[in-house]
Amino acid sequence: QVQLQESGPGLVKPSGTLSLTCAVSGGSISGYYWWTWVRQPPGRGLEWVGEIYDDGRTDYNPSLKSRVTVSADKSKNEFSLKLTSVTAADTAVYFCARMISVAGTWHFDSWGQGTLVTVSS
Amino acid sequence: QSVLTQPPSVSGAPGQRVTISCTGTSFNIGGGYEVHWYQQLPGTAPKLLIYGDFNRPSGVPGRFSGSKSGTSASLAITGLQAEDEATYHCQSYDSTLRGYVFGTGTQVTVL
Repeated sequence: QVQLQESGPGLVKPSGTLSLTCAVSGGSISGYYWWTWVRQPPGRGLEWVGEIYDDGRTDYNPSLKSRVTVSADKSKNEFSLKLTSVTAADTAVYFCARMISVAGTWHFDSWGQGTLVTVSS
Repeated sequence: QSVLTQPPSVSGAPGQRVTISCTGTSFNIGGGYEVHWYQQLPGTAPKLLIYGDFNRPSGVPGRFSGSKSGTSASLAITGLQAEDEATYHCQSYDSTLRGYVFGTGTQVTVL
């Protein structure tokens, strides 16, 4: 059973850069998966942020695309998120997740526990 | 931005059947994109409940079922149990937004 664990600063200053890492254990990040970031502002719904595939392809939420970078380090079996020019609107619990295809349908099958990032001076 | 609309809350007594709707458009659910459902207990990560409109992953009880028709999908919980108190999220893909989209979330309360 694959496990995911987010890590990174819980407080980021406005206009700064949010940086998070997701460590994957119990399985390799190599393979037919999209490794994804999803966020949830306090008291609100889930929002897809971006993802990276095994071959390095990335895909981002168009509303965040100019500020988001997702990368992967296969040697460490982890992937990362960088979000620049943050504002209070970026305050959220950030989850890392694995997207898998079963019978041609892609869905999130494994999630990290989530980490709260607050943007505040 | 939640483009899939769900009722904010539903409730039922233990043993009853409740349904949660997820309403989209012709650019997501109605466009043939599959719907997935996740259960989120308070303070925890979402957990996959239904994938591909109606498929249950191994370990998910049979009292959870999914369906889809037109631009909407539904999650039904039969034989409601206290442990089913959680927030439920639907998810699909939107061709105009070119990305994955989630519903607004529904809080299920067991009376």
